[in-house]
Amino acid sequence: EVQLVESGGGLVQPGGSLRLSCAASGFTFNNFAMSWVRQAPGKGLEWVSGIFGGGGSTYYADSMKGRFTISRDNSRNMVYLQMNSLRTEDTAVYYCAKFCCGAAAIRGLDYWGQGTLVTVSS
Amino acid sequence: QTVVTQEPSFSVSPGGTVTLTCGLSSGSVSTTYYPSWYQQTPGQAPRTLIYNTNTRSSGVPDRFSGSILGNKAALTITGAQADDESDYYCVLYMGSGISMFGGGTKLTVL
Repeated sequence: EVQLVESGGGLVQPGGSLRLSCAASGFTFNNFAMSWVRQAPGKGLEWVSGIFGGGGSTYYADSMKGRFTISRDNSRNMVYLQMNSLRTEDTAVYYCAKFCCGAAAIRGLDYWGQGTLVTVSS
Repeated sequence: QTVVTQEPSFSVSPGGTVTLTCGLSSGSVSTTYYPSWYQQTPGQAPRTLIYNTNTRSSGVPDRFSGSILGNKAALTITGAQADDESDYYCVLYMGSGISMFGGGTKLTVL
């Protein structure tokens, strides 16, 4: 059974940093690209970032580029999201999700975690 | 900048059929956008229904189907049930590793 468990959310001041983690199990981790998706309170879903199975290629939504960094540790079946220069508008539930279709297929999510809440406030 | 468009809301009668669509503010959706569909109820994580236009995710009943209709991607729900009342989101692959969500459709079953 595929499981994705996020951790690392919490309250952070504007301008601060936070690192989210996602522990994956139930599939051959390095065979699949992974993603982060977020949802601000009362709003829709927003794609944040993606990373190839080997970790060599990463992609970001424009509003996150330069502030967020996605990475993975295939020896530990973990994916991370380092978030710097946080803004109040980054307040959201952040979901870890698995891409469906291969290590370099960075489209089509098939499994999701339960999410971790990040609150950016002074 | 191109925006992914969805109907803000839709309603369907129990047992009825509804088709939700996913388009582009500029241009047509085709299979090369690998459209996917997700269902979300309040307070819950999203659930994948469809990916790669028409591939049902594991455990999704065949009442849910995906297609391209005209210049849009479409999600059709047949035999609507009360627990289909949810928010539905589509995602399009925009190329260069970038995906984009639509604004979501709030489906009411009444």
